[in-house]
Amino acid sequence: DTAVSQTPKYLVTQMGNDKSIKCEQNLGHDTMYWYKQDSKKFLKIMFSYNNKELIINETVPNRFSPKSPDKAHLNLHINSLELGDSAVYFCASSQARQGQAFFGQGTRLTVV
Amino acid sequence: QKEVEQDPGPLSVPEGAIVSLNCTYSNSAFQYFMWYRQYSRKGPELLMYTYSSGNKEDGRFTAQVDKSSKYISLFIRDSQPSDSATYLCAMKSGNEKLTFGTGTRLTIIP
Repeated sequence: DTAVSQTPKYLVTQMGNDKSIKCEQNLGHDTMYWYKQDSKKFLKIMFSYNNKELIINETVPNRFSPKSPDKAHLNLHINSLELGDSAVYFCASSQARQGQAFFGQGTRLTVV
Repeated sequence: QKEVEQDPGPLSVPEGAIVSLNCTYSNSAFQYFMWYRQYSRKGPELLMYTYSSGNKEDGRFTAQVDKSSKYISLFIRDSQPSDSATYLCAMKSGNEKLTFGTGTRLTIIP
């Protein structure tokens, strides 16, 4: 069983479209994250949720909206996609905010 | 200055060599230090997790933290071609966000 799973794995879409990425973890963790990895492999946090509550919201355009329906799920919705949104998006989870973070396999988003 | 500095490489070493990967940081509040390994087109995989200063060993991997110098290292002994990947250091203070280095791309030559 995959601990942190994301869907879809690949996403190719046109500029201006709206898309969602889903994430689920079966580790029983209470904290989940979204990270963005650019073409130079730099990983930067976007959002963090603890027990369904938003606790970290980095400087991210408000076209990006996370949603956590329960502790095991954290989805990312992106409106009006732009070319610069092309990147790999990783979901991660940890037990409490101090815990070790485990990552999903990533969603490779390409905006054309 | 970035909070976490890591030489991006690439670094190529022959099989069986000892590999040394390093990161420096500027935030003295960092307490938790991690090393992740990331294979191409895969998610980062946690290798080592240490709290505060000191050494931690796990098989062929040793993590060192020197908080006085704000310097962390990962050593890989008897390196194997399967160790070829990008290695990312990461650190955090308490409940704050995890801050990553830029990653070092490592290739082990058979």
